[in-house]
Amino acid sequence: EDQVTQSPEALRLQEGESSSLNCSYTVSGLRGLFWYRQDPGKGPEFLFTLYSAGEEKEKERLKATLTKKESFLHITAPKPEDSATYLCAVRGSGGSYIPTFGRGTSLIVHP
Amino acid sequence: KAGVTQTPRYLIKTRGQQVTLSCSPISGHRSVSWYQQTPGQGLQFLFEYFSETQRNKGNFPGRFSGRQFSNSRSEMNVSTLELGDSALYLCASSLEQNNSPLHFGNGTRLTVT
Repeated sequence: EDQVTQSPEALRLQEGESSSLNCSYTVSGLRGLFWYRQDPGKGPEFLFTLYSAGEEKEKERLKATLTKKESFLHITAPKPEDSATYLCAVRGSGGSYIPTFGRGTSLIVHP
Repeated sequence: KAGVTQTPRYLIKTRGQQVTLSCSPISGHRSVSWYQQTPGQGLQFLFEYFSETQRNKGNFPGRFSGRQFSNSRSEMNVSTLELGDSALYLCASSLEQNNSPLHFGNGTRLTVT
């Protein structure tokens, strides 16, 4: 069974204070690791897909990296508008291909 | 390109009633999945449809059902509502199953009183 654990559950940062969110996973044959951003009252918004260890993707102040056991979402010089819940999901090659989601990290960036 | 559209955005129902939620996927997307999201359980997979066939089902009771139409639009139905069914119900579509990301709608917020 695929498993995803995200840490920390909640993170408070000051504007400009860089940090990283962690997504640890176990999966049978990784077919993709996905990062999403979710704002209150809205659906998750797709950010990145990573397919293999060593891969990196960037978008504005966000950078996602992947190893064989975990992924990091690095946030550089965050702004208040980066406040959201960040979700990680993995899709494995065994069984149904349905993504397994973590519980998310709630990020608040104070001005 | 229009995103995933879910209607209605909000619903208030009474215990014992039934409810139908609707989802229009992104044009060209043939796979539609449904998720229940609650603060305590996070995102829980309900079911997935592809070409009008249910391909995968999560661990939810039979009160939860769905269907997909020939134009890929999908509906889910919950019968005999319980208080615990109060949640955000999210629909997501994707191009294909293997390595494409899910694209979510903004959900239907269901409150059962």
